[in-house]
Amino acid sequence: EVQLVESGGSLVQPGGSLRLSCAASGFTFSTYSMSWVRQAPGKGLEWVSSISGSGGSTYYADSVKGRFTISRDNSKSTLYLQMSSLRAEDTAVYYCAVGVSHGKYRDNWGQGTLVTVSS
Amino acid sequence: EIVLTQSPATLSLSPGERATLSCRASQSVSSYLAWYQQKPGQAPRLLIYDASSRATGIPARFSGSGSGTDFTLTISSLEPEDFAVYYCQQRSSWPRTFGQGTRLQIK
Repeated sequence: EVQLVESGGSLVQPGGSLRLSCAASGFTFSTYSMSWVRQAPGKGLEWVSSISGSGGSTYYADSVKGRFTISRDNSKSTLYLQMSSLRAEDTAVYYCAVGVSHGKYRDNWGQGTLVTVSS
Repeated sequence: EIVLTQSPATLSLSPGERATLSCRASQSVSSYLAWYQQKPGQAPRLLIYDASSRATGIPARFSGSGSGTDFTLTISSLEPEDFAVYYCQQRSSWPRTFGQGTRLQIK
């Protein structure tokens, strides 16, 4: 059974930094690209970033480019999102997601971790 | 960036009725489109991928159609558990984008 467990969300001041983690199990982690998707309170889904299985290719939404860095440690089956220069508009639940059984479509999602950016 | 526009924003129907949700892309995404269902406090759930293929375990009352720029999600006969928010997403190009969602509520 595929499991994704996010952690690291917390209250942080504007301009601050935070690192999110997503611990994966139940599949061969290094084989699959992974993504972060966020959802601001009461709002829709926003794709944030994706990374290839090897980690060699990364992609970002314009809204986070230059401030967020996606990475992975395949030896630990863990995905990361390093967030810096945080803004109030980054406040959201952050989900990690993977597509295991349906091509590259994200068919497995974590439960999410809440990041609140506020002074 | 490909913009996905969903309509209507809110759809009010009764159990047993047919629901038709639309997703229009600002440029062609071929068939690289998915539909997700999200209920309050839950992560999204993949319903349809490649525009018309049902994901594993998804009931047959859910169907998707379309290609290019116009897509439809149809729920043939609404069950109480179908009332939720539905999103389309394209994976044709970067950045990946979602539609703004359609809220399907009980009439």
